[in-house]
Amino acid sequence: DAMVIQNPRYQVTQFGKPVTLSCSQTLNHNVMYWYQQKSSQAPKLLFHYYDKDFNNEADTPDNFQSRRPNTSFCFLDIRSPGLGDAAMYLCATSRVYPANEQFFGPGTRLTVL
Amino acid sequence: AQTVTQSQPEMSVQEAETVTLSCTYDTSENNYYLFWYKQPPSRQMILVIRQEAYKQQNATENRFSVNFQKAAKSFSLKISDSQLGDTAMYFCAFMTIQGAQKLVFGQGTRLTINP
Repeated sequence: DAMVIQNPRYQVTQFGKPVTLSCSQTLNHNVMYWYQQKSSQAPKLLFHYYDKDFNNEADTPDNFQSRRPNTSFCFLDIRSPGLGDAAMYLCATSRVYPANEQFFGPGTRLTVL
Repeated sequence: AQTVTQSQPEMSVQEAETVTLSCTYDTSENNYYLFWYKQPPSRQMILVIRQEAYKQQNATENRFSVNFQKAAKSFSLKISDSQLGDTAMYFCAFMTIQGAQKLVFGQGTRLTINP
């Protein structure tokens, strides 16, 4: 089945130690999104790619970076995780035309010690 | 900027009952999409139902239906014959048709179906 896959499902890192989260998709969608979701809150969009074009949200901290080496894969890099970065990170994909729903991955739960 | 408001942080009903989740939004656009997403305790977000603003007919998907009132900017979700598996966080979301296709989420409603 076509899907959005995130690895790892659980990630523990130390304060200040860089971490990379991975997302892959078999849907061949143009757009890939990264969201941060804290407990009992709505997902907050960090950035998205339209093909190779990177679009950063204005309030996304510089600590968060992303790479999309090809259509299928997208990475979220947190350069120096702080305690406030502990959250669920969701990857999603969508087609561009026609504008359509976003398909979400299962998420990676990040713990910062 | 668009905003989405869900005024019910939590709801609880008995199995087999009907429940309605409220959602209002604010936009100056005429064409857009509205969604209800479900996020069960396992955390994977899935689409429940979608409504295109230019369609007057309310969307339905099996036990799920919406009451879309464009003039009132209201988009409620009705779940009929509720089941234990409907227990989840429900997010209402707005998306513009033009420009960047970004979802604007409401704060969510935590729905519990009791046996």
